[in-house]
Amino acid sequence: GAVVSQHPSWVICKSGTSVKIECRSLDFQATTMFWYRQFPKQSLMLMATSNEGSKATYEQGVEKDKFLINHASLTLSTLTVTSAHPEDSSFYICSARDHLAREGVSFSNEQFFGPGTRLTVL
Amino acid sequence: KNEVEQSPQNLTAQEGEFITINCSYSVGISALHWLQQHPGGGIVSLFMLSSGKKKHGRLIATINIQEKHSSLHITASHPRDSAVYICAVDYSGNTPLVFGKGTRLSVIA
Repeated sequence: GAVVSQHPSWVICKSGTSVKIECRSLDFQATTMFWYRQFPKQSLMLMATSNEGSKATYEQGVEKDKFLINHASLTLSTLTVTSAHPEDSSFYICSARDHLAREGVSFSNEQFFGPGTRLTVL
Repeated sequence: KNEVEQSPQNLTAQEGEFITINCSYSVGISALHWLQQHPGGGIVSLFMLSSGKKKHGRLIATINIQEKHSSLHITASHPRDSAVYICAVDYSGNTPLVFGKGTRLSVIA
């Protein structure tokens, strides 16, 4: 299956600093990427939908100015947590949707998940 | 309201047991995903299906579109199968997935 990578896999930062998380689709082009947040023992919570070349669509309750999303290319989306605070500590996961046919097989609409980034804000 | 219900929430099994996890949803979908999340956090996509049945190794996923129900089966379970299994539905193909709350499986040797 297709591969999605995330970097870094974990990060510890001081309160007030900004942290950038990268999500890359390694062997396919992803016009749409999704960013999720997961608190311990809870479900994945969608934060925003990132479309290449356009502004991200944020879910209700997610601050656009705090969680900056950039999807500048078909293989890269970034999430920047600005002025991070301890309550932002969480597990952040991205997924990418593959809309293109590869080797004659259509993977339309299948989503592939990154390994996640664990953010700890001190 | 579009809801995805999973059962059971928690499941403990002895090694070798046959395991079934269920997922129900409320309205028509374009596809259903079964995902696996290990304690480390990373998510692996096990199956995406829109009809019938799929098999991969010891894992089998079935879906009944009329009943709006899917099951994930694990045959000859092993401690390494211990993880959270998540059902997620894709309602239109252009919208984000809607996730169930997950089933926490522990397989004891």
